[in-house]
Amino acid sequence: GESVGLHLPTLSVQEGDNSIINCAYSNSASDYFIWYKQESGKGPQFIIDIRSNMDKRQGQRVTVLLNKTVKHLSLQIAATQPGDSAVYFCAALVSNTGNQFYFGTGTSLTVIP
Amino acid sequence: DAGVIQSPRHEVTEMGQEVTLRCKPISGHNSLFWYRQTMMRGLELLIYFNNNVPIDDSGMPEDRFSAKMPNASFSTLKIQPSEPRDSAVYFCASSPGTSGGTDTQYFGPGTRLTVL
Repeated sequence: GESVGLHLPTLSVQEGDNSIINCAYSNSASDYFIWYKQESGKGPQFIIDIRSNMDKRQGQRVTVLLNKTVKHLSLQIAATQPGDSAVYFCAALVSNTGNQFYFGTGTSLTVIP
Repeated sequence: DAGVIQSPRHEVTEMGQEVTLRCKPISGHNSLFWYRQTMMRGLELLIYFNNNVPIDDSGMPEDRFSAKMPNASFSTLKIQPSEPRDSAVYFCASSPGTSGGTDTQYFGPGTRLTVL
């Protein structure tokens, strides 16, 4: 029969509002996390990373929060702009066992002007 | 800096044919990664090299896939023979250091492969 691909979770926000994108991971040994942005037709682009010895890290307009207790991290984008429209996904790594990153499937963010 | 360069950008081939994807990493970078992205499975690491040496190929799906890095400025990912389920976007990425996943990776634009 016909196979249907997974549909990405979607998030629509008004320009100027804050966006929160969530990610859950399963391996409690994961100790390094990255958020990527992927625009249509392009490769993933590094946004921000965080190590497991931190709960929060801030960049320019972006903040990543890590909750190791529930194995959850979030990406907050302040004052979302149309150029922020893209797919965002997180990656988790157990840094002392090589480079097997485990990537989430992503969230599609649409910014409404 | 031109960034990571991949060729071709699009490839359409028939089942059973050999496919070769090419990557030129950023000059001076010491690690190179090959990824595959599909809607069903997301982004998957296939193999990575440190200083032209393959370090971890556990993500390579099967023997039909092979990757080489003959020098610091060039790598290939070959699929022989290709199958329809290999249809995906293949990304190459490079990073400056050799600590692998914890170095910032810079991705190329990808090669969209369609196997009919």
